[in-house]
Amino acid sequence: QVQLKESGPVLVQASETLSLTCTVSGFSLTNYGVIWVRQPPGKGLEWMGIIWRNGNTDYNSALKSRLSINRDTSKSQVFLKMNSLQTDDTAIYYCTRGFHFDYWGQGVMVTVSS
Amino acid sequence: DVVLTQTPPTLSATIGQSVSISCRSSQSLLHSNGNTYLHWLLQRPGQSPQLLIYLVSRLESGVPNRFSGSGSGTDFTLKISGVEAEDLGVYYCVQGTHAPWTFGGGTKLELK
Repeated sequence: QVQLKESGPVLVQASETLSLTCTVSGFSLTNYGVIWVRQPPGKGLEWMGIIWRNGNTDYNSALKSRLSINRDTSKSQVFLKMNSLQTDDTAIYYCTRGFHFDYWGQGVMVTVSS
Repeated sequence: DVVLTQTPPTLSATIGQSVSISCRSSQSLLHSNGNTYLHWLLQRPGQSPQLLIYLVSRLESGVPNRFSGSGSGTDFTLKISGVEAEDLGVYYCVQGTHAPWTFGGGTKLELK
């Protein structure tokens, strides 16, 4: 069955780089894109970016300068890296299958400490 | 970037009541390929979001048919025909026609 699972550090220092991994199963990254979405505590969903099935990427305009999304198709993993973290980057980070957001990971809560 | 405006921000309903949520886009969501990439999600408290409706009106597998979606261009609606207790949570519309994709601000459905 289709599954996505986020992993990475739960506490990061301000100004450092966040590295998260989304490990997928039940489908191929060459057939589906993967989207990253985040949700600050008590707030709404924010679309961060997508890596398409052909490996191309699109990013949220506000995050584009410090965000990158890559993948390793042989390991069925998608990677998110975001630098220059600030406290307002504290959020639950989700990966979800594109186009239609039909499967989601359970999310990982990342706290940015000053 | 495309802005999606959801109304109302909060919706109080009784069990069995029918309700509607509006999602208005700052520009047309009709893609040049003829599809309209407007989807609806539900996030129950403490859970990951789940897909309800995709491509405006297509019901995701396993989702009860009391949920329906309609609309075109810039105006879209999610209707729940007979709210049940398990429907409580926050509803989001999201567009995938124009990069970067964007979410609406959410509509919280609560019991009256």
